[in-house]
Amino acid sequence: DIQMTQSPSSVSASIGDRVTITCRASQPIGVRLAWYQQKPGKAPKILIYAASNLQSGAPSRFSGSGSGTDFLFTINSLQPEDSATYYCQQANSYPRTFGQGTKVEIK
Amino acid sequence: EVQLVESGGGLVKPGGSLRLSCVASGFIFTDAWMTWVRQAPGKGLEWIGHIKGIAIGGTTDYSAPVKGRFTISRDDSRNTMYLQMDRLTTEDSAIYYCAPETGRGDYNHWGPGTQVTVSS
Repeated sequence: DIQMTQSPSSVSASIGDRVTITCRASQPIGVRLAWYQQKPGKAPKILIYAASNLQSGAPSRFSGSGSGTDFLFTINSLQPEDSATYYCQQANSYPRTFGQGTKVEIK
Repeated sequence: EVQLVESGGGLVKPGGSLRLSCVASGFIFTDAWMTWVRQAPGKGLEWIGHIKGIAIGGTTDYSAPVKGRFTISRDDSRNTMYLQMDRLTTEDSAIYYCAPETGRGDYNHWGPGTQVTVSS
């Protein structure tokens, strides 16, 4: 199975800050990576697919980059509604696996 | 509009069984590779299995923790996927979500989930 390692596990930032989350795959996955946002009591919502493509309807302050084993997810100009947990997911092989999540809090 | 609704969750004793359903609409269900993902309390997301479209055999794959205990099936006439869960343990307590897999291998539509609690 491909292990997905996210860091940090949590981050606290101020409104307007840039937040960056890293995700590392235990083996190369090309660009077959997605990023999700999950708020308490809700299902996950996809924000980025194929490592760097913004899902339709997702705000443009969200972006992704990377390939192979190392990936970045960035929130530019953090907003109050971005308080949530973010997960990466590899889409290269089965079983699909997720990172352990990064909780983003607003200071 | 794509809609997914899970049901069948509840409280069950260790060793017991439960069957979850996922009713789908708004897309061509027969072609879809349907997936179950679960989330234990306070934990992350865990892929537990999927069933491929009938046109390519409707075969299933499972994660190691549930293989041999859980069975995924589908009834395309009802646009419904099922998850039969047997020999449940407390570690199976979670919210169970269903989602169709995109051609890219990710999930852009999810149901609201159904809660399963395994406790004596």
